[in-house]
Amino acid sequence: NAGVTQTPKFQVLKTGQSMTLQCAQDMNHEYMSWYRQDPGMGLRLIHYSVGAGITDQGEVPNGYNVSRSTTEDFPLRLLSAAPSQTSVYFCASSYASVGTGELFFGEGSRLTVL
Amino acid sequence: GNSVTQMEGPVTLSEEAFLTINCTYTATGYPSLFWYVQYPGEGLQLLLKATKADDKGSNKGFEATYRKETTSFHLEKGSVQVSDSAVYFCALSDQGSSASKIIFGSGTRLSIRP
Repeated sequence: NAGVTQTPKFQVLKTGQSMTLQCAQDMNHEYMSWYRQDPGMGLRLIHYSVGAGITDQGEVPNGYNVSRSTTEDFPLRLLSAAPSQTSVYFCASSYASVGTGELFFGEGSRLTVL
Repeated sequence: GNSVTQMEGPVTLSEEAFLTINCTYTATGYPSLFWYVQYPGEGLQLLLKATKADDKGSNKGFEATYRKETTSFHLEKGSVQVSDSAVYFCALSDQGSSASKIIFGSGTRLSIRP
């Protein structure tokens, strides 16, 4: 049971570098999303998608881009990394865009920007 | 707007102690309420949920009751184990709304001593 798979698990970047965090799910979920988790702040929604070809901004979208060309994949791009983007990133998916509340999470990607 | 407030952590207990983690919410309408758990090095997973007032969610010995009159959804367990050490997140979702509208609390770290 793969579920939601995120890569890489750990990454260190220098300020100004770009990178892509990969997320794939094999549950045929319509809804996919990216959160960042920072100490004392819980999870904050970055971007989300309710289906292939459709994306929208969450609470903290600045500095991040997303696309959804297939149902399975939802990559998160950092175009020019900043130290403020040091965080743990989680991809999550759900059966439908109308929430039952059950999100399925990946194991997380820890990013450090120097 | 909707929000969730959890008790500050960390919470440290001895094995077999009684656990309560407080959660209160602010919401318009009739939200669904959730507890998610994050074990070390893993993503979040749904622990239990309740979708209407006076409902009790339960799973793995944990319970929480949806109290509309006090806008609370406190998590309880009668006898904790070392394996319960994790971070616990309270969350809410407006019924029928997009999964992007799930709001998480800041999390409470629980440590159980043998």
